[in-house]
Amino acid sequence: GAGVSQSPSNKVTEKGKDVELRCDPISGHTALYWYRQRLGQGLEFLIYFQGNSAPDKSGLPSDRFSAERTGESVSTLTIQRTQQEDSAVYLCASSFRSGRAGGTGELFFGEGSRLTVL
Amino acid sequence: SQQGEEDPQALSIQEGENATMNCSYKTSINNLQWYRQNSGRGLVHLILIRSNEREKHSGRLRVTLDTSKKSSSLLITASRAADTASYFCATVLSGGYNKLIFGAGTRLAVHP
Repeated sequence: GAGVSQSPSNKVTEKGKDVELRCDPISGHTALYWYRQRLGQGLEFLIYFQGNSAPDKSGLPSDRFSAERTGESVSTLTIQRTQQEDSAVYLCASSFRSGRAGGTGELFFGEGSRLTVL
Repeated sequence: SQQGEEDPQALSIQEGENATMNCSYKTSINNLQWYRQNSGRGLVHLILIRSNEREKHSGRLRVTLDTSKKSSSLLITASRAADTASYFCATVLSGGYNKLIFGAGTRLAVHP
């Protein structure tokens, strides 16, 4: 596709259930990011994938959160035993250039997955 | 804690006026980027300024960067109602770190 695609766009779940969010980055983009945005707040960094390097998981808030990426394509963010404080929009972004010399370039964002935990 | 923080948190102006938003950050950066977000969904990249640059223009946007003060400003000239959105600065730390750290954003409302 032309842009970053995320699914589902909306997810309502009950506390304690597991959820899986999916991100399809732009083809050829080696870097992929997940962010969380609570209502009216900024973006909170969760995890970053760059090619075949070990992901930077430093932003994951607890061990209930995990993410995987298959090569340089699809990524899934899994939240186990969801809690009400997990309610937020989860944004995925990809980038073509992400290297030590130039630093991260422009990020292309998906429309996000809005998660509501009842 | 967040690397970048925008000021003001909210700004309300009339069409035709200029809007200025500021961003401060804490540690050395490789580059600084500004993004726009409509309706709480996906963000759109506006402009990137590198640490060795002081000013950049793109259409009605002007961005400045002062690394000695660890601050940046985004100026939107001749604002339009369609400019109503949230604006975020994001920094890439120097030293080989590649993750983009976002501030809390400025909510801009432009009234017709």
